[in-house]
Amino acid sequence: EVQLVESGGGLVQPGGSLRLSCAASGFTFSSYDMHWVRQATGKGLEWVSAFGTAGDTYYPGSVKGRFTISRENAKNSLYLQMNSLRVGDTAVYYCARVGLPHGGWYFDLWGRGTLVTVSS
Amino acid sequence: QSALTQPPSVSGSPGQSVTISCTGTSSDVGSYNRVSWYQQTPGTAPKLMIYEVSNRPSGVPDRFSGSKSGNTASLTISGLQAEDEADYYCSLYTSSNVVFGGGTKLTVL
Repeated sequence: EVQLVESGGGLVQPGGSLRLSCAASGFTFSSYDMHWVRQATGKGLEWVSAFGTAGDTYYPGSVKGRFTISRENAKNSLYLQMNSLRVGDTAVYYCARVGLPHGGWYFDLWGRGTLVTVSS
Repeated sequence: QSALTQPPSVSGSPGQSVTISCTGTSSDVGSYNRVSWYQQTPGTAPKLMIYEVSNRPSGVPDRFSGSKSGNTASLTISGLQAEDEADYYCSLYTSSNVVFGGGTKLTVL
C-alpha cells in the first residue's frame, strides 16, 4: 500500500528539541521530492520544509536556522529535526509527497500527521 | 512570500455551484501555473483535488474544476453535494518554496 506514516510528535518545553520521522512505503521513495507541512489547531496549512531528490533543501523564514530536514533513502524515511522550539510551532505536522518522480508541483500523498505541542 | 488570499467562507445549497477564489500577485499566481487545491475535512489530512491550475487527479469527481485569470486562481464546485462540505486550500509551488492560502470553509446549506 502506498502510504506515509509520521511519528515522533509529543509534548516539549519551549526551547527544546524534537525529531519527527516519516516512513514511506509502496513507492520508490528516492525518486520523489518530500515535504513537511504543518497545521496549528483551527488554522490553515503552513509549508515547513522540502528535500529534493538532488539533495537540495528549502525552508520558509519562520523555521530557517531552527529546523533541519533530512532523508535516508535506504530506509525510505524522511526526518525533521526541530530545535529551539517555540509555542507557535505547536501543530500537527504532515509529511507529503510531490505528485511526480523528480518533479511535480503539488502534493498527491499525505500522511495522517503527528502532533507536536510546545508548552511549559 | 505572503500567503495567498482566500475568502474565509462560502456556502451553497445542494445542486448549486460555488466558486472559491485564490488571489496572489503577478509575481506568484500570475507567473506560475503550479496552483493546486486541497480538500480537508475535520481530523483528516488534506486531499488533492486540482493540480496545475485545472487538472483533476483520478478519482476526483468532474464536478470539481479549476481555472486561473491573471493573479487569481479559482476552484468551482458544481452540483454541490453534502459531502463537499469541507475546508479548501489553494497552494502555489514555486522553485524554492510553497505557499498556501488561508483556507475557505464551504458550508452546504
